[in-house]
Amino acid sequence: GAVVSQHPSRVICKSGTSVKIECRSLDFQATTMFWYRQFPKKSLMLMATSNEGSKATYEQGVEKDKFLINHASLTLSTLTVTSAHPEDSSFYICSAWAGGLSNQPQHFGDGTRLSIL
Amino acid sequence: QQQVKQSPQSLIVQKGGISIINCAYENTAFDYFPWYQQFPGKGPALLIAIRPDVSEKKEGRFTISFNKSAKQFSLHIMDSQPGDSATYFCAAVNTGGFKTIFGAGTRLFVKA
Repeated sequence: GAVVSQHPSRVICKSGTSVKIECRSLDFQATTMFWYRQFPKKSLMLMATSNEGSKATYEQGVEKDKFLINHASLTLSTLTVTSAHPEDSSFYICSAWAGGLSNQPQHFGDGTRLSIL
Repeated sequence: QQQVKQSPQSLIVQKGGISIINCAYENTAFDYFPWYQQFPGKGPALLIAIRPDVSEKKEGRFTISFNKSAKQFSLHIMDSQPGDSATYFCAAVNTGGFKTIFGAGTRLFVKA
């Protein structure tokens, strides 16, 4: 069964709205969570890496004030797209990782399809 | 140095045939190599993974072959089925630096 739950699976909203996406690890503690953006027929583009209790590390070109990430606990991270515009429409995917010593890979959520009208 | 090159971009295979997808990396700091399968509208799901101290790993119809000296690894899908039609991503992980680099993906279509 799913080990990472991502919610909501789809959001359609008006331009200017802020949207929050949740990512939960269900049966393990995720010391690190990743947020990706995926364009149609393209690979995953890493947006940011967050460690529990720390500020997220954003990849070059990703606006941290636009994409707010909170990793408040070892099982929950949130991505808030602030004042979303049509160009923010995309497929956003989170993943959770128990860390290098765990000998476990990243586990991905099922993604959130964000459509800004 | 951080790139992972994946080929082919797309692949069409007859049912029952062998699907082969190749990846190459440059950075020797990578120490874990997973393959992910992604269906439309879903997140990637781990298929099979290998560490560089092993040259081959098999799980059911899926096999990873790993060539450490050439810095290449490949996924073989034996007896390919229409249900295997999906996009496959290779990845290279630096577990110490928390970095995962994904290949560009291969869209596999298995004809019935």
